[in-house]
Amino acid sequence: GQSLEQPSEVTAVEGAIVQINCTYQTSGFYGLSWYQQHDGGAPTFLSYNALDGLEETGRFSSFLSRSDSYGYLLLQELQMKDSASYFCAVSGFQKLVFGTGTRLLVSP
Amino acid sequence: EADIYQTPRYLVIGTGKKITLECSQTMGHDKMYWYQQDPGMELHLIHYSYGVNSTEKGDLSSESTVSRIRTEHFPLTLESARPSHTSQYLCASSESLGGYNEQFFGPGTRLTVL
Repeated sequence: GQSLEQPSEVTAVEGAIVQINCTYQTSGFYGLSWYQQHDGGAPTFLSYNALDGLEETGRFSSFLSRSDSYGYLLLQELQMKDSASYFCAVSGFQKLVFGTGTRLLVSP
Repeated sequence: EADIYQTPRYLVIGTGKKITLECSQTMGHDKMYWYQQDPGMELHLIHYSYGVNSTEKGDLSSESTVSRIRTEHFPLTLESARPSHTSQYLCASSESLGGYNEQFFGPGTRLTVL
């Protein structure tokens, strides 16, 4: 089977840096994705890591260690609009399996 | 920009009714998916399709059925709705088969069964 673990909630202040961790157990691993979902909205794609290392996209970075079955999403210069749920997702051959999600609360 | 649409956005119906949730995409993607998500919870895959005339059940057992007669259209049907079906249903599509598999999501249908 497949399972992914994330912290349920993270809080931070504007301007800070926050890291959301994701550990997974899966077979047929192709890569790790991250999605953002605002309350009442649809998930939107943030990043994808197939190889070990850090991928940077603007204020967001994502890291993967395949040997540790571990990844994280790093959000820098936090803004109020970053308050949302963040899901890691493992790419299998035909589909994604989503984690339980981390709710990020950014305060002024 | 992703062009994937779902109707209706909100639906309140009584127990026992048959309903169809519509999903259409204009990106020409072969792969389409249906997820069920309760508020604040994870997404559970209930159905997916590789292309026309192909449908598969997902990881979460569901009493719904799907069809894929046209590439752009992937409707989900509940023959007899029950209160346990109350949830948000999200449709998604993607271009690639494996590996990099960015999925584009529709706005969702929030279903309430009384």
